[in-house]
Amino acid sequence: EAGVVQSPRYKIIEKKQPVAFWCNPISGHNTLYWYRQNLGQGPELLIRYENEEAVDDSQLPKDRFSAERLKGVDSTLKIQPAELGDSAVYLCASSLFGVSYEQYFGPGTRLTVT
Amino acid sequence: QQPVQSPQAVILREGEDAVINCSSSKALYSVHWYRQKHGEAPVFLMILLKGGEQKGHEKISASFNEKKQQSSLYLTASQLSYSGTYFCGTERGQTSGSRLTFGEGTQLTVNP
Repeated sequence: EAGVVQSPRYKIIEKKQPVAFWCNPISGHNTLYWYRQNLGQGPELLIRYENEEAVDDSQLPKDRFSAERLKGVDSTLKIQPAELGDSAVYLCASSLFGVSYEQYFGPGTRLTVT
Repeated sequence: QQPVQSPQAVILREGEDAVINCSSSKALYSVHWYRQKHGEAPVFLMILLKGGEQKGHEKISASFNEKKQQSSLYLTASQLSYSGTYFCGTERGQTSGSRLTFGEGTQLTVNP
């Protein structure tokens, strides 16, 4: 069974530029998560989808971040414009059902904003 | 509110045991444990639901003390492959549905 797929793996952009990350969850998993992980810290939830619905986006900085999960499968996370403080690893995870089930993480996208 | 993990770091020799603790000031519904190796994604170890259960996974087991809102991860007869950063993630509340909040991690190093 294929795991969670993310692309790109690495991205270097200048501040004020836009950037987008893509995630394909494990087949059949209805819950999808986007996390941000700063160096030396644990993952921090940005948004959680159950099917197509964003059920927890309270920690998503909505002035510059947006996300979508069309057809309840793939998801895209966008930052526009990027700031220096956005440099981090962006992890996508999926679980069969909700939060109380094991989450499977993708390899992440390491974003560097210069 | 972020759970507190202790210790922050531990160094072992192969074959030694270790305990990693995770505590919260709020009532918890579940505690999740993950291991992350440098430059890799976190990997699921186990989930404990409220009810004070204990679980085991080969030589790694965990307990959840619901009254104290604490969980402990036990690594026995450690192997080199156990090296990595261990994160606990806590789900607050009386029922499922709230977000998973991760601690800052415990860095475990196992030396030959």
